[in-house]
Amino acid sequence: KAGVTQTPRYLIKTRGQQVTLSCSPISGHRSVSWYQQTPGQGLQFLFEYFSETQRNKGNFPGRFSGRQFSNSRSEMNVSTLELGDSALYLCASSAEGNEQFFGPGTRLTVL
Amino acid sequence: QKEVEQDPGPLSVPEGAIVSLNCTYSNSAFQYFMWYRQYSRKGPELLMYTYSSGNKEDGRFTAQVDKSSKYISLFIRDSQPSDSATYLCAMSGSWGKLQFGAGTQVVVTP
Repeated sequence: KAGVTQTPRYLIKTRGQQVTLSCSPISGHRSVSWYQQTPGQGLQFLFEYFSETQRNKGNFPGRFSGRQFSNSRSEMNVSTLELGDSALYLCASSAEGNEQFFGPGTRLTVL
Repeated sequence: QKEVEQDPGPLSVPEGAIVSLNCTYSNSAFQYFMWYRQYSRKGPELLMYTYSSGNKEDGRFTAQVDKSSKYISLFIRDSQPSDSATYLCAMSGSWGKLQFGAGTQVVVTP
């Protein structure tokens, strides 16, 4: 079974720009969760989608948004980028939401 | 105070030794408990997944959950240099949201 894929793997943006990250879950999984990982804060939950509905949300500003498509692929968007948004963004795939399998991540650098 | 506490280490052990890792937590709603391994600049890899209290063994790995003490552990037997990585505990009480510890850096020296 193919694992979780994330594109792109690396991104460099400047402050004020917006960015869209993509995640393809394991075949058959309907839950996709997104996390931000930084050296200072560790892994922090952004949001989770299950069957195209946002089921859970973390404590991030509204600049962070996401969506899920009917084929379970998910995207997250960050608008008006700030320097502090530089991080590794990870998505995780799950059949029901708890046993989560992570992708390789997208490393975002904001200049 | 963080919901999940984990000593960041580093924890250095000689090859062949038992690695002992643990996390404590404060939220009694947590029902699902996981351990992940993360190599530098890679995504976390799921090692163990358990529900509620008890023990689970998988090869060289043993996970223990004690909900009464709000304490979980991971033991790695016969450690190898390839086990050198950051180990993250994670737990969940609501669908889709994992709460992670800070991660413990483990170094296994030949």
